Amino acid sequence: AQSVTQPDIHITVSEGASLELRCNYSYGATPYLFWYVQSPGQGLQLLLKYFSGDTLVQGIKGFEAEFKRSQSSFNLRKPSVHWSDAAEYFCAVATNNNDMRFGAGTRLTVKP
Amino acid sequence: GAGVSQSPSNKVTEKGKDVELRCDPISGHTALYWYRQSLGQGLEFLIYFQGNSAPDKSGLPSDRFSAERTGGSVSTLTIQRTQQEDSAVYLCASSSPSLRADTQYFGPGTRLTVL
Repeated sequence: AQSVTQPDIHITVSEGASLELRCNYSYGATPYLFWYVQSPGQGLQLLLKYFSGDTLVQGIKGFEAEFKRSQSSFNLRKPSVHWSDAAEYFCAVATNNNDMRFGAGTRLTVKP
Repeated sequence: GAGVSQSPSNKVTEKGKDVELRCDPISGHTALYWYRQSLGQGLEFLIYFQGNSAPDKSGLPSDRFSAERTGGSVSTLTIQRTQQEDSAVYLCASSSPSLRADTQYFGPGTRLTVL
């Protein structure tokens, strides 16, 4: 079965600094990749997704992610972090029959 | 409905009791998922339905856990003889019918506390 690894459990960045959250997946076929965000006390919200085509995908709130097949990675980036970005971020991989698996999540803390 | 709904939103029970958690997916969504999120933990996959059948039950932690889905819509997750380690938020998600994976829409979750 497919699986996802998010190597960083917790990341702290200063407001205005750039951000990169790592995600590595394991799946034998073409993956469908997602990033979700869970703000404190909120439900999970989709940030962006990759199905095919351009390997750099843009999402909401100024986030982007790049699919690198050779590295089995789908890292999430943002050029300048805002205090409101503090949340838990989950990477997910799915098969073509809607079977999805999530990573353990990365908790982002933003310093003033 | 407008989104995925789950009931109850909170459930407090005594160790050894059975509980039922309900999920109403978005109308027309054929795929339905159950996850568990323990305090400070990530999303733990429990079970996945495509229609009424469950192709993958590998995530169910023990035989005390079971789930069913009838009519391709509502799903119930049942935990028998609850234990304190079952305390968590149980999340349900659904996704639209398609030939490939699509966005999952999550419900607000049921917070289960086992005393």
